[in-house]
Amino acid sequence: KAGVTQTPRYLIKTRGQQVTLSCSPISGHRSVSWYQQTPGQGLQFLFEYFSETQRNKGNFPGRFSGRQFSNSRSEMNVSTLELGDSALYLCASSLAMGYNEQFFGPGTRLTVL
Amino acid sequence: QKEVEQDPGPLSVPEGAIVSLNCTYSNSAFQYFMWYRQYSRKGPELLMYTYSSGNKEDGRFTAQVDKSSKYISLFIRDSQPSDSATYLCAMTPGGGADGLTFGKGTHLIIQP
Repeated sequence: KAGVTQTPRYLIKTRGQQVTLSCSPISGHRSVSWYQQTPGQGLQFLFEYFSETQRNKGNFPGRFSGRQFSNSRSEMNVSTLELGDSALYLCASSLAMGYNEQFFGPGTRLTVL
Repeated sequence: QKEVEQDPGPLSVPEGAIVSLNCTYSNSAFQYFMWYRQYSRKGPELLMYTYSSGNKEDGRFTAQVDKSSKYISLFIRDSQPSDSATYLCAMTPGGGADGLTFGKGTHLIIQP
């Protein structure tokens, strides 16, 4: 069974630009969560999507948004990029909302210059 | 005080030793506890998943949860150089209420 896939794996942007990251969950998994990982703050929860609806949101500004499609694939968008947005963005999938076992993809490493 | 505290290390032990990794937490609502292993430039890999207090064993790995002390542990027996990685604890109240809350991870080095 294929794992969680994320594209692109690496991205370089400049301040003020926007970026879209993509995540395909494990086949049969319907819940997708996004996390940001930085050396200073560690792994922090961004949001969770289930049935094309955002169910939970972490403590991040509105510049961070996402969506989920009917096939459970998800995208997250960051607008007006700041230097502090440089991080590894991880997507995790689980069977459904309320299933706590989450399986992570390899991440997208975003560098903001 | 952060919700989940984890010693960042590095923790360096000789091959074959028993490794003990620990996390403490402050939120008594946490019911589900996980340990992830993360190699450099990779995503976290789920190692152990436990509910409430007690022990769970899987091969060389044993997870312990003591909710009364708000303390969780991961033991690795017969440690191998391939176990060298960062180990992250994670926890959640469950029920789909929140995402996972992570410790910052312990960097483990197994010396051959």
